[in-house]
Amino acid sequence: SQTIHQWPATLVQPVGSPLSLECTVEGTSNPNLYWYRQAAGRGLQLLFYSVGIGQISSEVPQNLSASRPQDRQFILSSKKLLLSDSGFYLCAWRHRGIYEQYFGPGTRLTVT
Amino acid sequence: KNQVEQSPQSLIILEGKNCTLQCNYTVSPFSNLRWYKQDTGRGPVSLTIMTFSENTKSNGRYTATLDADTKQSSLHITASQLSDSASYICVVSGAHNTDKLIFGTGTRLQVFP
Repeated sequence: SQTIHQWPATLVQPVGSPLSLECTVEGTSNPNLYWYRQAAGRGLQLLFYSVGIGQISSEVPQNLSASRPQDRQFILSSKKLLLSDSGFYLCAWRHRGIYEQYFGPGTRLTVT
Repeated sequence: KNQVEQSPQSLIILEGKNCTLQCNYTVSPFSNLRWYKQDTGRGPVSLTIMTFSENTKSNGRYTATLDADTKQSSLHITASQLSDSASYICVVSGAHNTDKLIFGTGTRLQVFP
């Protein structure tokens, strides 16, 4: 069976500090991978998605970036965090050719 | 603009009662519509997914309906349980890019004993 992992589960970072969130998927190969952010009281917002190693599509211009160094690894980064980066970050994956997306447990980021 | 709107924003019901959540969307062209359940502080979990040719789909006590002509969907929960307390999110995928999902803001359901 497939499993998706995210870490850390919670993170408190000061404004201006760097960020690295990691997501890995087990039990599948060549998945499509996604990063979402959920702000309080708002719907999930797609940040990045990837259809293969090194292939990243950005949906929202901001100070975040994403990378996919390995087939089942997806990393969300920032060089300098802003207060507005606070939120619940979710990674998701799906099989190509199948609509269903499966979400990870999420990372709660608080920027102080 | 592609949008997904849900109602009500929040709902309180007693255990054992039924309830129906609504979703209206303006996404066009349409590919599929999903309902997710999200417990507080957790990732969403899929309940149902329907394409334009499907009118209804069930998953246990959850039944989703879709009217692609009026661009409306509903999620009916039968014989609610305390564990049904969660946010229920309606999500629509357009036909041009099925990687870009459009999320509603959810309905917060609380089930009390």
